[in-house]
Amino acid sequence: EVQLVQSGAEVKKPGESLKMSCKGSGYSFSTYWIGWVRQMPGKGPEWMGIIYPGDSDTKYSPSFEGQVTMSADMSISTAYLQWNSLKTSDTAIYYCARLRSEYWYFDFWGRGTLVTVSS
Amino acid sequence: EIVLTQSPATLSLSPGERATLSCRASQTVNSDLTWYQQKPGQAPRLLIYDASDRATGIPARFSGGGSGTDFTLTISSLEPEDFAVYYCQLRSKWQWTFGQGTKVE
Repeated sequence: EVQLVQSGAEVKKPGESLKMSCKGSGYSFSTYWIGWVRQMPGKGPEWMGIIYPGDSDTKYSPSFEGQVTMSADMSISTAYLQWNSLKTSDTAIYYCARLRSEYWYFDFWGRGTLVTVSS
Repeated sequence: EIVLTQSPATLSLSPGERATLSCRASQTVNSDLTWYQQKPGQAPRLLIYDASDRATGIPARFSGGGSGTDFTLTISSLEPEDFAVYYCQLRSKWQWTFGQGTKVE
């Protein structure tokens, strides 16, 4: 069974750093792109970027490039999303999802990690 | 950048009725159009990919269609569990875009 297990909710202050994780199981983690999606409170999903764990190739949305960093460690089937300096506007749920490259859709999703940034 | 516009924003229907949701792209696209369902407190769930192919385990009452710039998701007869928000999503080159959603209530 394919599963993506995300790390737990975080409460941070503006300016703090954060690194969240997404651990895949039930499939060959290194051979599927993993995407990250932001969903701000009451809003629709926003695509942030994708990473290919096999070689750590990344593609970022222009809206998020330079704001976050995606990485992966295929030896432990885990992808990461990190911030160096959080803003209150980063408050959102962040989802990781597996990308099927045949038709470029996200077929399996993690449950999401809620990030609250508040002073 | 391609923009996806979903309409209507809210669809008020009763169980058993037919729901037709629209997703319009700002320019002609290929068929890499995907539909997701999202319920409160849950991650999006894949329904339809390649504009018209149902994902594994998705009931036959869900169907997708369209091409070019206009795509539709149809729920032939609403079940109580179908009341949710529906998003379309498109991939163009190395960018993915979501629509703003249609709430079926």
